[in-house]
Amino acid sequence: EAGVAQSPRYKIIEKRQSVAFWCNPISGHATLYWYQQILGQGPKLLIQFQNNGVVDDSQLPKDRFSAERLKGVDSTLKIQPAKLEDSAVYLCASRPLGGEINQPQHFGDGTRLSIL
Amino acid sequence: LAKTTQPISMDSYEGQEVNITCSHNNIATNDYITWYQQFPSQGPRFIIQGYKTKVTNEVASLFIPADRKSSTLSLPRVSLSDTAVYYCLVGSIYNQGGKLIFGQGTELSVKP
Repeated sequence: EAGVAQSPRYKIIEKRQSVAFWCNPISGHATLYWYQQILGQGPKLLIQFQNNGVVDDSQLPKDRFSAERLKGVDSTLKIQPAKLEDSAVYLCASRPLGGEINQPQHFGDGTRLSIL
Repeated sequence: LAKTTQPISMDSYEGQEVNITCSHNNIATNDYITWYQQFPSQGPRFIIQGYKTKVTNEVASLFIPADRKSSTLSLPRVSLSDTAVYYCLVGSIYNQGGKLIFGQGTELSVKP
C-alpha cells in the first residue's frame, strides 16, 4: 500500500513569512497527526484529527499555527507568521480507526523547514 | 501516559546483538509498550509492540519482565543499516486515537 505522502520535502523561508505543508494519509486511515520534530529531539504532537474533526490540539501554538482536514482525507498545516524557533521537521502520520487494538501510526518522511 | 527513560546513545559493531533497555516505572495496567525506529531524513517506523513476556517478529524481539517496569528491545546481528534512533513509548490500549509521546530516543551507532 502507498505510504503517507508529504510535500514539500524542504522549505526555506524568512522569519515572519507564511508557509504551508500538505499531507495525504494512507487510504482509509481515519486518524491523522501532525508532529514537530526539532533537531535532536523526538517528535512532538501538534494536532490530531479523527476524520475531519480535531481530537487534540493542546500543543498547537494557535496564535501562529493552523491545520485543517476539510474532507477527512488530506490535511494542511500552516504557519503564519513563522519564527526562527519553528525551524524543524514537520511530520504527518496516519492510523486506521478501530480494528486491532493499538494499531501503529504510519509516518511520512516529513517537511524540513528552515527559517532564515 | 507513562514516562519512559532510555539511554541517549549506544555503540555496537556489525554482527553483534544489541539490547536497548527502556524504563517505565509508572506503567499502567492498560498500557502497551511500543518501539519505533527512525533513520535520518525519514519518519519513525514501527518496529514492535508488546504487553508482557516476549514478542518476536522478523526484525526484533521485545522482552518485558513480569513487573513490566522496563522493557528491552533486542536487535540480533546488527548491520550498518541498523544505525538509527530507537524510541520506546508507552500508551494505553484505551487511548482514543492512539496518542504517542516520544522521548529523546536512543541513538544507535553500528560500526564496521
